[in-house]
Amino acid sequence: QSVLTQPPSVSGAPGQRVTISCTGSSSNIGAGYNVHWYQQLPGTAPKLLIYNDNNRPSGVPDRFSGSKSGTSASLAITGLQAEDEADYYCQSYDSSLGGSYVFGTGTKVTVL
Amino acid sequence: EVQLVESGGGLVQPGGSLRLSCAASGFTFSYYWMSWVRQSPGKGLEWVANINQDENERYYVDSVKGRFTISRDNAKNSLYLQMNSLRGEDTAVYYCVRPGDHNNFDDWGQGTQVTVSS
Repeated sequence: QSVLTQPPSVSGAPGQRVTISCTGSSSNIGAGYNVHWYQQLPGTAPKLLIYNDNNRPSGVPDRFSGSKSGTSASLAITGLQAEDEADYYCQSYDSSLGGSYVFGTGTKVTVL
Repeated sequence: EVQLVESGGGLVQPGGSLRLSCAASGFTFSYYWMSWVRQSPGKGLEWVANINQDENERYYVDSVKGRFTISRDNAKNSLYLQMNSLRGEDTAVYYCVRPGDHNNFDDWGQGTQVTVSS
């Protein structure tokens, strides 16, 4: 089971701003481990979107941004576009039970 | 361009075995750690295993310890996952992944479907 909790879905009209939360605990996000975000378009593999809390790989539009505070992190999409409709996952490292990489439950973003 | 191409998935009965392969190109394979990550409708994304460059460090998620073995052949630029004693809950798409430098996953293959069912 996923140890990082995300809302199942969020939606917004084109041009709007949406945010996705990622709630963890003291053994992962709260312990200071970096949070990363992935975008999964329908029928494709996940793609790295944000790394180390708030950094974008080359080629990722600056409409995507990340933040972290305490035991939670957030992904914001500003100027929502139709091509942003996808599933989004957060990911971190968890030091409990011998250590493991952990993913969020995933959020479906729908562009209205 | 980094390319990771998985193969070897399929339908297998509970208790059976399967060996997944991943052919890597576009980067110096022997320089990097490599990983397997799986995705199932019920459990979402789940990290499965990691291996370091010379195979002397291997890590697994608890649910596959003792059943799965990750390995690599640097001369063939290939990554493998030997899966034994397969269970229904192992049903998933398995991705070959190149980790990044910060406990993240930089590059993903297209995935191969593994279905465990009688």
